[in-house]
Amino acid sequence: RKEVEQDPGPFNVPEGATVAFNCTYSNSASQSFFWYRQDCRKEPKLLMSVYSSGNEDGRFTAQLNRASQYISLLIRDSKLSDSATYLCVVLNQGGKLIFGQGTELSVKP
Amino acid sequence: DAGVTQSPTHLIKTRGQHVTLRCSPISGHKSVSWYQQVLGQGPQFIFQYYEKEERGRGNFPDRFSARQFPNYSSELNVNALLLGDSALYLCASSLSPNAQRTEAFFGQGTRLTVV
Repeated sequence: RKEVEQDPGPFNVPEGATVAFNCTYSNSASQSFFWYRQDCRKEPKLLMSVYSSGNEDGRFTAQLNRASQYISLLIRDSKLSDSATYLCVVLNQGGKLIFGQGTELSVKP
Repeated sequence: DAGVTQSPTHLIKTRGQHVTLRCSPISGHKSVSWYQQVLGQGPQFIFQYYEKEERGRGNFPDRFSARQFPNYSSELNVNALLLGDSALYLCASSLSPNAQRTEAFFGQGTRLTVV
């Protein structure tokens, strides 16, 4: 079983739609959680950290459920520019970032 | 300000050859990590260096090695290249090795093709 598992993609949605990505992690001792965004053939960039209390950044909302070892990302009012691959990332006890496979999002006009 | 810079950006090598990839971290960052990203997968951790010492190693064969220099730049070496080594190799730099307290910034990567 992979340490970090994400929804299979691709997600194809129209502009303005709300889309949710889910992620589970296997190591209950994981310390920190993140969502990264990766554009085609580019490097990953930090989108947001994920906190147990949930956090919001504009149209993006991230949630963490430690009991279920579950992380989510909600994107409201999707824009064409949101098209990218979204990577669920977990920091393990050794300080290593463990990436999920990534979920591809394509927002269509 | 310069971000994380990697060289070369693209590379084609033949099976059995060796390759050296280079990374310069953001000025002031002392921690460098290397990741391998094959097509359709997320990045996989290879090495982490901090203050010139290896702090962590992923599940990669001994053909992979790395080092960090006094100026905090780093090299990743891969010997006896296999077709399966074809991937995007990413370097990430951060102020400290503790990614919980400091954001990791990635370079644009080196795309290695082994033929």
